[in-house]
Amino acid sequence: DAKTTQPNSMESNEEEPVHLPCNHSTISGTDYIHWYRQLPSQGPEYVIHGLTSNVNNRMASLAIAEDRKSSTLILHRATLRDAAVYYCISRTVPDKLIFGTGTRLQVFP
Amino acid sequence: DVKVTQSSRYLVKRTGEKVFLECVQDMDHENMFWYRQDPGLGLRLIYFSYDVKMKEKGDIPEGYSVSREKKERFSLILESASTNQTSMYLCASSSSLGQSADFGDGTRLSIL
Repeated sequence: DAKTTQPNSMESNEEEPVHLPCNHSTISGTDYIHWYRQLPSQGPEYVIHGLTSNVNNRMASLAIAEDRKSSTLILHRATLRDAAVYYCISRTVPDKLIFGTGTRLQVFP
Repeated sequence: DVKVTQSSRYLVKRTGEKVFLECVQDMDHENMFWYRQDPGLGLRLIYFSYDVKMKEKGDIPEGYSVSREKKERFSLILESASTNQTSMYLCASSSSLGQSADFGDGTRLSIL
């Protein structure tokens, strides 16, 4: 199963963009890249996913490198409610989510 | 808007006890998963199931077993609880045709 690597922590100021990087150099061609985030005292929640193309939704954008060995989750304007642990995950076929240790994002007012 | 429900938020048991953690999902998902979460280690997959009565070992199955007698319910069993099984346990479910997995809010289990 592909392993993902993320920085342990990152900081941002409110209303600034945040770029959360992830390396997944061993990902296979059929594995999707998923991002989840976990707020305190809650289970992880889905943020976004992609295979090869960049993706946008109401929560974030996902930029995937052309060689698929890395990706970046982009929060366009961080808010205090975005403070969480963000997980970059390879989703295998058949379905299985392999988590890494995640990036703890701190957002300052 | 209930999706994945774990039977207890907090549970305290004693060493050697048989412990059952229950998880129920109301989305008719085929796939269900049990993870444990420990500081500095992230989420680690214990067991998962792609269908009723099917089970697959994850990365850390030792000391655990599971049961899936009905599609909506996936139980994690600690046959003889030990202190190193003190942890946060998270259940998740997903559809193979869906985009994402849904997680419960977790059970914080303490083994004394």
